[in-house]
Amino acid sequence: SQKIEQNSEALNIQEGKTATLTCNYTNYSPAYLQWYRQDPGRGPVFLLLIRENEKEKRKERLKVTFDTTLKQSLFHITASQPADSATYLCALGGPSNAGNMLTFGGGTRLMVKP
Amino acid sequence: GAVVSQHPSRVICKSGTSVKIECRSLDFQATTMFWYRQFPKQSLMLMATSNEGSKATYEQGVEKDKFLINHASLTLSTLTVTSAHPEDSSFYICSARDPRGGNEQYFGPGTRLTVT
Repeated sequence: SQKIEQNSEALNIQEGKTATLTCNYTNYSPAYLQWYRQDPGRGPVFLLLIRENEKEKRKERLKVTFDTTLKQSLFHITASQPADSATYLCALGGPSNAGNMLTFGGGTRLMVKP
Repeated sequence: GAVVSQHPSRVICKSGTSVKIECRSLDFQATTMFWYRQFPKQSLMLMATSNEGSKATYEQGVEKDKFLINHASLTLSTLTVTSAHPEDSSFYICSARDPRGGNEQYFGPGTRLTVT
């Protein structure tokens, strides 16, 4: 069965450092992978989408890599700030998933300390 | 960016009653919306795919007679939890894809349901 793994332990880093979060998957051939941010008691907020034929994508302080051979995506936040503290979810979509359905990982909680 | 709203944000109901949750796409039309459930410290679990003008598609293990979904227009989907029980207490979130964009989904703020 499909399995998406994110580090369930919280990641604690110092402000200004780069945070790196990992998303690994098995038994899946996604057409794209998405990263979301979720704050407590709120719905997820879309951050970045990367397609299977893309190696890397950037948006401001965010960078996502996608290695379909390793079946892994890395999510980086450079120059991290306390406001970046949240839970980050990776989600995989198509073609194994019908339509635009997404399958989510368990999320990793990031804590950025001042 | 695309905006999705949900109403209510919080609801408390008694066991045995029914609760309706609304999901609206505010600035785009969505032929498909998705309903998720999230228990504390767990990830989002897809419950069903809501299709405008046709029946919803439910995920395995989700009772369609208990979780009624109606997608009556291109901007509104509703989820009704019928005969609610305390174990139905959860965080319910909807999402939709803006057809003008790519595959990214936009989520509502969620509805916290507590069944007493």
